[in-house]
Amino acid sequence: DTGVSQDPRHKITKRGQNVTFRCDPISEHNRLYWYRQTLGQGPEFLTYFQNEAQLEKSRLLSDRFSAERPKGSFSTLEIQRTEQGDSAMYLCASTDPGIKGEKLFFGSGTQLSVL
Amino acid sequence: QQQVKQSPQSLIVQKGGISIINCAYENTAFDYFPWYQQFPGKGPALLIAIRPDVSEKKEGRFTISFNKSAKQFSLHIMDSQPGDSATYFCAARGNSGSARQLTFGSGTQLTVLP
Repeated sequence: DTGVSQDPRHKITKRGQNVTFRCDPISEHNRLYWYRQTLGQGPEFLTYFQNEAQLEKSRLLSDRFSAERPKGSFSTLEIQRTEQGDSAMYLCASTDPGIKGEKLFFGSGTQLSVL
Repeated sequence: QQQVKQSPQSLIVQKGGISIINCAYENTAFDYFPWYQQFPGKGPALLIAIRPDVSEKKEGRFTISFNKSAKQFSLHIMDSQPGDSATYFCAARGNSGSARQLTFGSGTQLTVLP
């Protein structure tokens, strides 16, 4: 496994700006997840894709958030009109339930700071 | 709504000692209970996992104990080493409804002193 890759590692933005993060999952994995982790807390589920289809979204995912996985490979998470409360680590994870069962492989995350 | 409660928040153990981290859950639909280990600047990595049809699972120095009636499970790290110093998260997942996705505990920061 070459690992889940996330870009950028860090992002500092001003309140009201839009930001976009990218996730490249492990190549043979058909499921891709986005989680958010705030300081001192565990990751919280945001959304997941089966191939290119977005199958579930958490109520945490406000309408300012949008995620895509256009060709079933990499995914992007966009936050519009960022707020200070959006400051968090955004984690991407991937798996192939047929091969890896329940195991999620996480990337190192994108740390977002909204000033 | 915190469906998985984890304790303690932090733990300091001497090298060679036993580290014990506890979790309790509320949703009886949960049927998969993993533990993840996270080092600073990294994403969580699966350490060990259990299903409720067994009461204990051991992999090397790591053991999960599971008590279905009490809705509790714990991680035991035997012969703790400084390299085990990390944040540990318990999690739970079911197969239907709101339990379909992994719900994580709030984490335990473990420090193993040399």
